[in-house]
Order: sequence, then C-alpha cells, then structure tokens
Amino acid sequence: DVKVTQSSRYLVKRTGEKVFLECVQDMDHENMFWYRQDPGLGLRLIYFSYDVKMKEKGDIPEGYSVSREKKERFSLILESASTNQTSMYLCASSPGRSSYEKLFFGSGTQLSVL
Amino acid sequence: QKEVEQNSGPLSVPEGAIASLNCTYSDRGSQSFFWYRQYSGKSPELIMFIYSNGDKEDGRFTAQLNKASQYVSLLIRDSQPSDSATYLCAADTGRRALTFGSGTRLQVQP
Repeated sequence: DVKVTQSSRYLVKRTGEKVFLECVQDMDHENMFWYRQDPGLGLRLIYFSYDVKMKEKGDIPEGYSVSREKKERFSLILESASTNQTSMYLCASSPGRSSYEKLFFGSGTQLSVL
Repeated sequence: QKEVEQNSGPLSVPEGAIASLNCTYSDRGSQSFFWYRQYSGKSPELIMFIYSNGDKEDGRFTAQLNKASQYVSLLIRDSQPSDSATYLCAADTGRRALTFGSGTRLQVQP
C-alpha cells in the first residue's frame, strides 16, 4: 500500500524558531512536493523535487527552503517561522516522469506559529 | 490572476440529484486536468483525470473538458451523502507539478 508519512500531525512553534517538517515515502517515487492549504485559497505549491538533491520553486517559496538528500525523504524548512506561516502543510509524492500528476498525499501537518 | 478558478460553494444538492462542479483555467498551454476529492480533515485523493476534449466517464462520475472555452467540469450522478466533500480541480501547467484551484464544497442533503 502506498504510504506518505509526515512526521507530526500537529506542531506549535514560536515566532522566529527554525522549523523542520519531514516527509517520507516508501514507494520509490521520483517526485515529491510540499503544498500548504489555507481556507479559501486551496493548495498552493511551495517547492517540489524530481530527483535527489534537485529542487524547484513553486508559487510561494518565500520564507521556506527544502532538502532532499535521499530519494525517500523531502524536508521543508522554515528558517524563521512567522505567524503568517500558520497553515496545514501537505506533502505528496508521485511515481515518475510520465505520471507525475497522480499525487499521493500524506496526512498533513497543522502548524501553528505563535 | 489565479490560474485555476473554482466557485467555493457550498453547492447543495438533494440525494439522487446530479451535482455539477465547474472549473476554469487561464493557461492555454495546460494539457491535462484532474479532480481530487477531499473529505473534511483528510488529504486529497485523485478521482478523475482528463486529457482530451469531450467527456470521460467512470461510474457515477463524468469529467468534461472544453479547451476552447478553458473549462473543466465534474458531474456526479445519483449523488449520495457520502459524496459530501471538497472537490479540487487541478491543472498540469507544464512544470511537472500541479496547480490547484481553491476547491468547491459539495453538500448532498439526505
């Protein structure tokens, strides 16, 4: 069974903290993605990666960075958390070049920045 | 301008009726389109995709694509209360990642 695991379901951090959100997939997928979901705004793409050590900016990369040192793991980093980064963060993966659009999502991390 | 637009709803239909969900997109280069369903508190899951103009049917679901009008729709026949969810339209805009709309919340009344 396909599995995308996000390390935390709920996370509370303080303004200015460095925050790591971890995502692991066990399906040997090429592509991995980070989205954030806010009411009324839908899913917005932060960063994605189609290979180890490769990363591409999405629509809202400001304030975020990512790391993909191993194929199965894609980390989202908030260098200095701010209150406007309070959101639901969804990690997703997809198999390969010809089927990147079929996304498998993790269960999400609800991040609150106080 | 947002690339993929949806009416946020809620769209309310009685049980057994046809629910019609609509989506427009701005990038004429978009080639393929996807419908994801998201239940409250859960993650999105893919239910339909369509590449060619016309209709594509899968059980109670029909996806419709009109590239000239830049319009995508999802019809759900014989709607059930279990269909109550948010439906997200997404487009492949050629960058190896999907662009999502903001979603339409569907409520099916028993």
